Amino acid sequence: KAGVTQTPRYLIKTRGQQVTLSCSPISGHRSVSWYQQTPGQGLQFLFEYFSETQRNKGNFPGRFSGRQFSNSRSEMNVSTLELGDSALYLCASSQTSFRDSGYEQYFGPGTRLTVT
Amino acid sequence: AQSVAQPEDQVNVAEGNPLTVKCTYSVSGNPYLFWYVQYPNRGLQFLLKYITGDNLVKGSYGFEAEFNKSQTSFHLKKPSALVSDSALYFCAVREGGYNKLIFGAGTRLAVHP
Repeated sequence: KAGVTQTPRYLIKTRGQQVTLSCSPISGHRSVSWYQQTPGQGLQFLFEYFSETQRNKGNFPGRFSGRQFSNSRSEMNVSTLELGDSALYLCASSQTSFRDSGYEQYFGPGTRLTVT
Repeated sequence: AQSVAQPEDQVNVAEGNPLTVKCTYSVSGNPYLFWYVQYPNRGLQFLLKYITGDNLVKGSYGFEAEFNKSQTSFHLKKPSALVSDSALYFCAVREGGYNKLIFGAGTRLAVHP
């Protein structure tokens, strides 16, 4: 099976712009989660989608949003970019999102966003 | 709120020696614990998980982890380290239901020839 794919891999944007990142999960996986990784804050959960519904949201401002399509592919959007949004954005997929399931998440290679 | 702590920023080990990367957790209820590894310019790779059952969990690439409920620890171990094991290791706990993971700060493992 192909792994989780993320596009683009690298992105340079200017403050105030917006950006859309894309994630294709492993075939058959219906849950997609997004994480932000920075040297200062480490790995932080952004949100999770399952069956096109946001199940969980982390502590990020409303400038960060996402969606999931019927084929389980997901996008996240960051509007009005700030310098502090520079980070590696990781997408992860899992077989399920049911409570008390122990399925692991599989991560993509990430999108490196640089805001100048 | 759930949390995990990785007390060591870096662990140095000689090739062929056993290695341990430490993780302690704080959760309410039964913990779902995970270890991931990250190589430079790569995403996270799943190593192993503890959900329930045996306290010794075996995972990928010869790694294993020991769940200790009384010490609230989930240390990652390998009997004989390889130079190729050098990477950044993350311990994580699932928070609440669904798929939200809370990660530790990470431990950089350096295996020297």
